Amino acid sequence: AQSVSQHNHHVILSEAASLELGCNYSYGGTVNLFWYVQYPGQHLQLLLKYFSGDPLVKGIKGFEAEFIKSKFSFNLRKPSVQWSDTAEYFCAVNARAGGGNKLTFGTGTQLKVEL
Amino acid sequence: DGGITQSPKYLFRKEGQNVTLSCEQNLNHDAMYWYRQDPGQGLRLIYYSQIVNDFQKGDIAEGYSVSREKKESFPLTVTSAQKNPTAFYLCASSPRRTVLYMNTEAFFGQGTRLTVV
Repeated sequence: AQSVSQHNHHVILSEAASLELGCNYSYGGTVNLFWYVQYPGQHLQLLLKYFSGDPLVKGIKGFEAEFIKSKFSFNLRKPSVQWSDTAEYFCAVNARAGGGNKLTFGTGTQLKVEL
Repeated sequence: DGGITQSPKYLFRKEGQNVTLSCEQNLNHDAMYWYRQDPGQGLRLIYYSQIVNDFQKGDIAEGYSVSREKKESFPLTVTSAQKNPTAFYLCASSPRRTVLYMNTEAFFGQGTRLTVV
């Protein structure tokens, strides 16, 4: 069955520190990969996405993610975090299932950035 | 404006009652999804539908039911059999993934917070 693992459940960083959040998925076929963000009290927003082509994708607010097919991974990175990046981050995989597509999310990583 | 509308925003239910959450989209998307969000558990898939009159169970379908009689509507019923229904429910839609159209991105509604009292 298709699944998504996010290994870091809670991350606390100081401002200007670098960020890397892990995401691994289990599915052998073609996938679309996403990172979504949910700021406190707000709704889910798309941060970035990978469909095909360059495995290094750039998203909003300085975030980027690298798709490594051999490792089934899609880790999220940001060189220097800001206090406003405090949020919950979700990795998601869209893969073929039942003749269409099934979108599966990881359990999320709660990021807290301290001043 | 195009988008996904979930109603109501807040819903209170007495134990033993069924309740239906509404989800409507005007994006002309084929695929629609229902997720449940609980603290520390992420978004868990309840049901999804690729096309009208067809739907599949997700990872936590027990105690829930859906229908897909129209392309734009995918209501979710939380039945009395659902042992822990208090949660935040999110509806999403995306273009159907096919051989010709491989890349799909999901769009989310604003959610319904259900509380059992």
